[in-house]
Amino acid sequence: GEDVEQSLFLSVREGDSSVINCTYTDSSSTYLYWYKQEPGAGLQLLTYIFSNMDMKQDQRLTVLLNKKDKHLSLRIADTQTGDSAIYFCALVSGGYQKVTFGTGTKLQVIP
Amino acid sequence: DGGITQSPKYLFRKEGQNVTLSCEQNLNHDAMYWYRQDPGQGLRLIYYSQIVNDFQKGDIAEGYSVSREKKESFPLTVTSAQKNPTAFYLCASSSGISYNEQFFGPGTRLTVL
Repeated sequence: GEDVEQSLFLSVREGDSSVINCTYTDSSSTYLYWYKQEPGAGLQLLTYIFSNMDMKQDQRLTVLLNKKDKHLSLRIADTQTGDSAIYFCALVSGGYQKVTFGTGTKLQVIP
Repeated sequence: DGGITQSPKYLFRKEGQNVTLSCEQNLNHDAMYWYRQDPGQGLRLIYYSQIVNDFQKGDIAEGYSVSREKKESFPLTVTSAQKNPTAFYLCASSSGISYNEQFFGPGTRLTVL
């Protein structure tokens, strides 16, 4: 099956940029997503990128996709304490409606 | 307001008992999903349903059962056969079109004593 890996933990200072990375194995994925999970809550879609794009920017968020290396990243500019959460990358693989989630990266923002 | 609800938020059960987790959505979505979340392991798919009266096993279906009798509802039963049921359970739904965003409920934390 699909394998989606992330580092478990990232710590940054408030105001700095955060970069969360994700690697995957299935090169046939059509959509790739970033979800955010706040403590004790469900996940919320932050942004997504279609596989024929290299980059997508949405306010403080920048998504980069390197299809050759099967690498997806999420950059958060001017990171705030409210950005502290777990971030999951996810992608569609195999069947159209089956989404595979990464292991999640816990972002800690230090004031 | 449209959304997806799960109840209860916290659930405690004795070992050997079956327990059913509720998931309801009023988004008119065809597809619904159950995930299990454990620390450091991300989300693992238990079961999913693309349409009423049909569902498929996910990656970790053993010890779980589901039903999909109504479009709005997708309850999950954690049976006594599930060896390690204590976890955070998340339900989601999606329309299945375009970029297929999944909408998540707030989750149920199940603790088996």
